[in-house]
Amino acid sequence: DIQMTQSPSSLSASVGDRVTITCQASQDISNYLNWYQQKPGKAPKLLIYDASNLETGVPSRFSGSGSGTDFTFTISSLQPEDIATYYCQQYDNLPYSFGQGTKLEIK
Amino acid sequence: EVQLVESGGGLVQPGGSLRLSCAASGFTFSSYSMNWVRQAPGKGLEWVSYISSSSSTIYYADSVKGRFTISRDNAKNSLYLQMNSLRAEDTAVYYCARLERGGFDYWGQGTLVTVSS
Repeated sequence: DIQMTQSPSSLSASVGDRVTITCQASQDISNYLNWYQQKPGKAPKLLIYDASNLETGVPSRFSGSGSGTDFTFTISSLQPEDIATYYCQQYDNLPYSFGQGTKLEIK
Repeated sequence: EVQLVESGGGLVQPGGSLRLSCAASGFTFSSYSMNWVRQAPGKGLEWVSYISSSSSTIYYADSVKGRFTISRDNAKNSLYLQMNSLRAEDTAVYYCARLERGGFDYWGQGTLVTVSS
């Protein structure tokens, strides 16, 4: 099974800051990597698919990059509504697996 | 508008059974693979099961294999999860999710399953 390791597990940043989250796969997954946002009490929302493609309707301040085993998720200018937990997810092989999540808070 | 609405959650004793349902609308249900994903209280996301559009291919996480059964009825636009031999560690919010390009692009609101005596 493929293990996904996200870092950091939590992050505190100010409005307007650039925020970066990393996700490392335990083996090469090409670009089969998605990123989700989950707000408290809500279902996750797909933000980025295939490592770098923005889902329709998602603000352009969100971006993703990487391939192979190392991936990065970036918010270029943090907004108050971005407070949430973010997860990466691989779909190169079943079982699909998620990172443990990064909880983002406003400083 | 795509909608996924789960139902069937509740409180069940260890060893008991429960059947979850997910009613789909707003898209051609029979054209999409579907999944169940769960989230234990205060924890991360865990993929549970996959079923292809025609039900020809099914997969389970090791943690539920042999106890859970996924199924679908394309005529009723519905997805199901039969959960048997439930354990305390199965306590979670269960989401149904549509699979598109390897990503879960639509999710239901979730239904809480609590396994406790």
